[in-house]
Amino acid sequence: DTAVSQTPKYLVTQMGNDKSIKCEQNLGHDTMYWYKQDSKKFLKIMFSYNNKELIINETVPNRFSPKSPDKAHLNLHINSLELGDSAVYFCASSQDSGPGELFFGEGSRLTVL
Amino acid sequence: DAKTTQPPSMDCAEGRAANLPCNHSTISGNEYVYWYRQIHSQGPQYIIHGLKNNETNEMASLIITEDRKSSTLILPHATLRDTAVYYCIVRADYNFNKFYFGSGTKLNVKP
Repeated sequence: DTAVSQTPKYLVTQMGNDKSIKCEQNLGHDTMYWYKQDSKKFLKIMFSYNNKELIINETVPNRFSPKSPDKAHLNLHINSLELGDSAVYFCASSQDSGPGELFFGEGSRLTVL
Repeated sequence: DAKTTQPPSMDCAEGRAANLPCNHSTISGNEYVYWYRQIHSQGPQYIIHGLKNNETNEMASLIITEDRKSSTLILPHATLRDTAVYYCIVRADYNFNKFYFGSGTKLNVKP
């Protein structure tokens, strides 16, 4: 079983559309994240949720809205998509105790035309 | 959290040890050093972490200098599959959510 799974893996859409990316982790972790990796390969944290509560919001436009229905899921909804939103979005999770290393999903490549 | 500095790229011959340096001269006493790698657009993968002592696991060894201002990740016998971008990150133990990735080192393992 995949520990952190994201859907869809690929998403091609037009500017102005609204889209969602889903993430689920079966590791029993308390914290989940969304990272964005742009064309220059910089990996930037966007959001972090701990037990369904928003912990980190790294100056992301409010067109991006994370939603955590339970601590195993963290979905990312994006309104009014822009060309600059094209990137690979990675979901990750970590346990609060112990070393707390991140476990990443395989990524969702979003292309906005 | 402290900043890290890594060389943008390194080459290594297959079968030889790969030694990847990281400078974190502003590290404070409660900050851990973590290493991750990203193989060709896959999700980043945890490798190892440490605080003061040298650490070893099945993937790699981490050597931290006594003053903790720098560290080296060692892949003892690099294979072609180790070609990846390697990220060195420092993170305070109380900032358990905050992993900030820099630009990393692209390791090219060559036959």
